[in-house]
Amino acid sequence: KAGVTQTPRYLIKTRGQQVTLSCSPISGHRSVSWYQQTPGQGLQFLFEYFSETQRNKGNFPGRFSGRQFSNSRSEMNVSTLELGDSALYLCASSSASGSSSGNTIYFGEGSWLTVV
Amino acid sequence: QKEVEQDPGPLSVPEGAIVSLNCTYSNSAFQYFMWYRQYSRKGPELLMYTYSSGNKEDGRFTAQVDKSSKYISLFIRDSQPSDSATYLCAMSGRSGGSNYKLTFGKGTLLTVNP
Repeated sequence: KAGVTQTPRYLIKTRGQQVTLSCSPISGHRSVSWYQQTPGQGLQFLFEYFSETQRNKGNFPGRFSGRQFSNSRSEMNVSTLELGDSALYLCASSSASGSSSGNTIYFGEGSWLTVV
Repeated sequence: QKEVEQDPGPLSVPEGAIVSLNCTYSNSAFQYFMWYRQYSRKGPELLMYTYSSGNKEDGRFTAQVDKSSKYISLFIRDSQPSDSATYLCAMSGRSGGSNYKLTFGKGTLLTVNP
């Protein structure tokens, strides 16, 4: 069974540009969430989607947005990039089956974003 | 006060040692507790997953949750150089979608020396 797949793995953008990151969850998983990881702040929750609806949102500015498609694949977008947006962006998925084991959350390898 | 506190280390131990990693938390709504291992430039890998209080063992790894003290631990027995990584504790609420929003500790960097 394939894991969570994220593309691209590495990218460099200039301040003021926008970026779109893509995530394919584990087959059958309906919940997709996004996290930002930086050395200073650690792993921070961005948002979570289930059945194309955003259920949870972290404390990030509106420049960070996401969406989920009917096949559970997800994208996140960051507009007007700032130097501080340089980070590892991680996508995670869960089956959200309602059982206790359905809450287990699996991460992808992440997309490394550098803003210059 | 941060919701989840974790000593960042670094922690250096000899091969074969027993390693103890800990986190404390302040949010009594947390019901699910996880430990992830993250190698350099890789995504977090789920190691242990427990619900509510108690112990769970999986091979060389034992996870303990004490909800009364708001304290969780991960023990690694017979540590190996391949265990060298950053260990992250994570936790979430129980329902209403909050169970899919993880709050992480900062992570503890562990080095196991041959």
